[in-house]
Amino acid sequence: HLQLQESGPGLVKPSETLSLTCTVSGGSLTSVDYFWGWVRQPPGKGLEWLGSMFYSGSTYYNPSLKSRVTISIDASKNEFSLNLTSVTAADTAVYYCARHRGATVTPEFDHWGQGTLVPVSS
Amino acid sequence: QSALTQPASVSGSPGQSITISCTGTSSDIGGYNYVSWYQQHPGKAPKLIIYDVTDRPSGVSDRFSGSKSGNTASLTISGLQAEDEADYYCSSYRSSSTRGVFGGGTKLTVL
Repeated sequence: HLQLQESGPGLVKPSETLSLTCTVSGGSLTSVDYFWGWVRQPPGKGLEWLGSMFYSGSTYYNPSLKSRVTISIDASKNEFSLNLTSVTAADTAVYYCARHRGATVTPEFDHWGQGTLVPVSS
Repeated sequence: QSALTQPASVSGSPGQSITISCTGTSSDIGGYNYVSWYQQHPGKAPKLIIYDVTDRPSGVSDRFSGSKSGNTASLTISGLQAEDEADYYCSSYRSSSTRGVFGGGTKLTVL
């Protein structure tokens, strides 16, 4: 049974870097069958795709964030990570890691983590 | 890049059917069959209920169905139940560096 779990700091200060890790259990990040991604949801608002990666290192980012976002993989730990630099209050959101339904970067996510709220505040 | 357009809210009585629309452009919904729908209950992660416009993941009730006409996709829920009360989001592949885009969400109220 595939499970994803986000972890990271509970609070980030403005202008700093938000770093989150997604630990995958019950499945392998190095599978050739899936992309893995990050989605966020500001309080009371809709969903926004941040970016996705393939185990080979191929990455795709939302252009609205591209200069600030990086996704990387640690295959030895079966984890992938999100780094978002120069955060502001507008980056306050619940951050989800998720698995794409297949080996394409279409926004069809069939497994999700429970999400973690990251407030940005001084 | 603007989100796909969904009505803010819809409502229906138990047993009825409702339809939620999701309008995009020829660069996303109209151009590809990669439309999906998610159900999200308060405080929970989204759940995929429709993918590739019309397909349901294993375990999803057949009361949920999807369709597409031109640049507009639709989610229909038949035999409405109290447990269907939730937020619903559409998404689509987009032919630009954006790759993927979500709708703004629709709150379904079961009266």
